[in-house]
Amino acid sequence: DADVTQTPRNRITKTGKRIMLECSQTKGHDRMYWYRQDPGLGLRLIYYSFDVKDINKGEISDGYSVSRQAQAKFSLSLESAIPNQTALYFCATSDWGRAETQYFGPGTRLLVL
Amino acid sequence: KNQVEQSPQSLIILEGKNCTLQCNYTVSPFSNLRWYKQDTGRGPVSLTIMTFSENTKSNGRYTATLDADTKQSSLHITASQLSDSASYICVVSADNDYKLSFGAGTTVTVRA
Repeated sequence: DADVTQTPRNRITKTGKRIMLECSQTKGHDRMYWYRQDPGLGLRLIYYSFDVKDINKGEISDGYSVSRQAQAKFSLSLESAIPNQTALYFCATSDWGRAETQYFGPGTRLLVL
Repeated sequence: KNQVEQSPQSLIILEGKNCTLQCNYTVSPFSNLRWYKQDTGRGPVSLTIMTFSENTKSNGRYTATLDADTKQSSLHITASQLSDSASYICVVSADNDYKLSFGAGTTVTVRA
């Protein structure tokens, strides 16, 4: 969805390096999420934010940190990358309400050597 | 732990044929169930959403069903097209939690 953009789209890094994945959205949504997707597994939530001052851990937050710089921007950092963080990472946004649909970005494919 | 199981893991069908994907969940208390389509190299895109009171929801050639009593859902693809080749993900939301439970997806390959 062009309304949610992620950079970079592909990244190769080495063990121990710090990297940042960025997400921007033009949908005007308050809620933003970071997920990772591994082969054979469902998407798993890393962190989520319901507004600029709200940051919450998901089910697999260890080894990751996030920053909500503005309503439209939510970045994910790997402080010291390790090989098992090799995955496809998705940013998503949604509006308020229990039945809100999440809109996903195109994903960042990360390889940690 | 809330879980979502999808079957089959993958399937291959000929163009023009129909197919049905299955989703079983243990999420409770149930709020809603979504089916997403994920094309290769793209993020998931919502196809349908159903709440507890809805049994069927259609979106073009896609028809989703929900049996909240047995905690099962299906996605039926009618007259498949090559563009239907994708992964289809079942996503369930609990009534007391904003977090979503994702199935691993069913990969559908449509061949000419």
